[in-house]
Amino acid sequence: DTGVSQNPRHKITKRGQNVTFRCDPISEHNRLYWYRQTLGQGPEFLTYFQNEAQLEKSRLLSDRFSAERPKGSFSTLEIQRTEQGDSAMYLCASSVGLGFGEQFFGPGTRLTVL
Amino acid sequence: DQQVKQNSPSLSVQEGRISILNCDYTNSMFDYFLWYKKYPAEGPTFLISISSIKDKNEDGRFTVFLNKSAKHLSLHIVPSQPGDSAVYFCAAKGGTYKYIFGTGTRLKVLA
Repeated sequence: DTGVSQNPRHKITKRGQNVTFRCDPISEHNRLYWYRQTLGQGPEFLTYFQNEAQLEKSRLLSDRFSAERPKGSFSTLEIQRTEQGDSAMYLCASSVGLGFGEQFFGPGTRLTVL
Repeated sequence: DQQVKQNSPSLSVQEGRISILNCDYTNSMFDYFLWYKKYPAEGPTFLISISSIKDKNEDGRFTVFLNKSAKHLSLHIVPSQPGDSAVYFCAAKGGTYKYIFGTGTRLKVLA
């Protein structure tokens, strides 16, 4: 399978704990996006990487959230001191090239904060 | 501030007929629009896109129309098939890299 993969697929945690999600994009894709989706809503942009550089962050990404993409390959999204409001589907997408190409989404990580 | 709106949360269409999904936007600076389809337990998959310099783009059974003066785009699926049943999201490119999604329309194609 050469698509975008995300791990874990599901995560249940207690309020106040830290969690980390991983995204492996399609290998030649230089652009990587993180989104958050809650019930009845569309994906909300969180952050964008071009290669290893984080070029844009949403104001939704509070200081409890941090994302990295070391070496421009896989990416991690960490949430510190989780809150119940962080419960959502976290989606990763990747794309390639300099233009506005389509984004390929992973299956997402569903986070439940108890 | 919902810059991309899909006002119909759901739509039912008979198999073989046309499905029309609508999307409105408020930001005249958006320059690229996309439609995605999402099945349960999967991430969204790309369907079709259109640049703001065009008013129509067609790919097989799928056609997207863009009316810039009305800030409106629509996705036409002809003929509709039961496998088209899914949630459809429109998205617009806002800013340099940011894509803004609508809330989605659940399409049900009845056999």
